[in-house]
Amino acid sequence: DQQVKQNSPSLSVQEGRISILNCDYTNSMFDYFLWYKKYPAEGPTFLISISSIKDKNEDGRFTVFLNKSAKHLSLHIVPSQPGDSAVYFCAAMDSGTYKYIFGTGTRLKVLA
Amino acid sequence: NAGVTQTPKFRVLKTGQSMTLLCAQDMNHEYMYWYRQDPGMGLRLIHYSVGEGTTAKGEVPDGYNVSRLKKQNFLLGLESAAPSQTSVYFCASTQDRYNEQFFGPGTRLTVL
Repeated sequence: DQQVKQNSPSLSVQEGRISILNCDYTNSMFDYFLWYKKYPAEGPTFLISISSIKDKNEDGRFTVFLNKSAKHLSLHIVPSQPGDSAVYFCAAMDSGTYKYIFGTGTRLKVLA
Repeated sequence: NAGVTQTPKFRVLKTGQSMTLLCAQDMNHEYMYWYRQDPGMGLRLIHYSVGEGTTAKGEVPDGYNVSRLKKQNFLLGLESAAPSQTSVYFCASTQDRYNEQFFGPGTRLTVL
């Protein structure tokens, strides 16, 4: 049973436009959420995170929104750049077990 | 600082052979994690540790064992490798459960 879901396997966006990546979760014990970026043949690298006590966190071009009632979070990238092309994973931390559970990833392609 | 390192980078095993993957971190982190990444499945948690001498099961622990005898090292063992364990394995560490995880570069394992 997938506790963290990324329903869009891929997304293509024009350079300069907004990229919106979505993530849904089912476990109400998740209280910390993260986004990671992964290039081929490398380990994931941290992008941005949000605590369950907030609904928005911003870092430069990256903003994460959290809707607890809908159990949904999204990552906005504005403006999108070709170097943003990568696989993006959302992850959630279970406050009861300290497990980090990842989604299946969304491959973002930013077209120049 | 080297961050998180993984040994080996690549390995080919025959069915039934055993091996140990080593993860080392030099950031004095308490928490360490082993994941596997398979196409379409994202990152799945195998085992994790919340401190030296502790281990716990993740989402897909069967066929794997782990040990955390020293704080900086987290070993993942395959006692009798199976083709279903062909995957890319990532190790990660974090100082505490409300922080980002730092990932190693991965180990690509093929079981024939």
